[in-house]
Amino acid sequence: EVQLVESGGGLVQPGGSLRLSCAASGFTFNNYWMNWVRQAPGKGLEWVANIKPDGSEKFYVDSVKGRFTISRDNAKNSLFLQMNSLRAEDTAVYYCARNLAYWGQGVLVTVSS
Amino acid sequence: DIVMTQTPLSLSVTPGQSASISCKPSQSLLRSDGKTYLYWCLQRPGQPPQLLIYEISNRFSGVPDRFSGSGSGTDFTLKISRVEAEDVGVYYCLQTTQFPYTFGQGTKVEIK
Repeated sequence: EVQLVESGGGLVQPGGSLRLSCAASGFTFNNYWMNWVRQAPGKGLEWVANIKPDGSEKFYVDSVKGRFTISRDNAKNSLFLQMNSLRAEDTAVYYCARNLAYWGQGVLVTVSS
Repeated sequence: DIVMTQTPLSLSVTPGQSASISCKPSQSLLRSDGKTYLYWCLQRPGQPPQLLIYEISNRFSGVPDRFSGSGSGTDFTLKISRVEAEDVGVYYCLQTTQFPYTFGQGTKVEIK
């Protein structure tokens, strides 16, 4: 059974940093593109970033370019999202998703002073 | 960026009746490999999204055949036949033809 479990969320001040993790199991992790998708409170879904199976290519939505970095550790079946220079508008539930077919439960990130 | 426009934004359906949701991308979703990367997802209240349909019309594993997708180019439709109470939630179309991937605004479906 495919399982994706996010962690690392919480409350952070504007300008601060946070690192999200996603632990994957139930499939061969290094065979799949992995994604981060977010959802601001009461709003729709927004794709944030994704990474190729071998980590050699990464893509981002413009609003996070230069601030967020997606990475993966295939030996540990883990996906990461390093978020720097956080803004109030980054407040959202962040989902880890395997090629958008399987999704984790999400983790809440709140950016507020 | 490709803008995905969904209509309607909300829908109230009698159980057993059918419902249709339209999704119109701002440009063609046909990619150079000949495939069209148009997906439909459902987000039930308090739950993460779940994939229903991939590449226009292919039902994902475990999705009932009441759900069907159709369309091409810049005009796509999700049809729910014989709506059931468990179908309530927000439906999103999504394109992965071009970066950045983009979602429609969502269509909220409720049961009368």
